[in-house]
Amino acid sequence: SQQGEEDPQALSIQEGENATMNCSYKTSINNLQWYRQNSGRGLVHLILIRSNEREKHSGRLRVTLDTSKKSSSLLITASRAADTASYFCATAVNAGNMLTFGGGTRLMVKP
Amino acid sequence: DAGITQSPRHKVTETGTPVTLRCHQTENHRYMYWYRQDPGHGLRLIHYSYGVKDTDKGEVSDGYSVSRSKTEDFLLTLESATSSQTSVYFCAIRTGDYNSPLHFGNGTRLTVT
Repeated sequence: SQQGEEDPQALSIQEGENATMNCSYKTSINNLQWYRQNSGRGLVHLILIRSNEREKHSGRLRVTLDTSKKSSSLLITASRAADTASYFCATAVNAGNMLTFGGGTRLMVKP
Repeated sequence: DAGITQSPRHKVTETGTPVTLRCHQTENHRYMYWYRQDPGHGLRLIHYSYGVKDTDKGEVSDGYSVSRSKTEDFLLTLESATSSQTSVYFCAIRTGDYNSPLHFGNGTRLTVT
C-alpha cells in the first residue's frame, strides 16, 4: 500500500487559475517532498518541507503540512500551460533512507 | 539530471531471459535507488544502496537483485524476466542527508513479451 495518496488523481484548469493538489499519508514522517514529472521524463524535485515546518514557498509554489491530519497540499498559483505535468508527493520515514511516493495528480493547464 | 545516466533507455526482452539495467552517476554520492513506475501505482522502491556493496530491499524487491561494486554504478538485474516486470524503471541518487531530495535519471522503459 502507498504511504502517500494524492487527490485529485486528475485536474484540468485554465491558464491563470490556481491549482491545488492534496496528499495524505499514514505514518509519522521526517519530511514530505513534492516532485513534478513531465511526460517521458524523470521526476524533478520541487520542494521539501520538514515535519516541524507548516508552510513553505518557492516561486509560484506554496506547500503546507499538517502533521496532525497527516496531510499536505501543493498550491500552484497563476498556472501556465507549461505547468502541465504529473505531480507526486513523497514521504521520508525511518531516518529517510527510503522515500515513498504516492500515485500522483495529473495536472492539465489549458491555454 | 545531476549527472545520472540510465542504460539502456528502451529494452524489449522475452519472458525468462535475464536483464540488467545500469545506473551511472558522475559524482560520488552514497545513496542510490531503483524505482519502478506503473500506472495506478506511482513509483515503488525496488532496492536501494547506501554504499559500495551495501544494499537493502524496498517495497517490491521480489524478482530483482542489485549490485554496487563501484560508487558510481548501481545495477538492477531481473534474473528471469516476467511480463509483470514490464514497467518504466527509474534510478535516483540522494546528494545529501535524509532531508535532501532525490535526483532522477530519465528512466528505462522495459517491455517483457
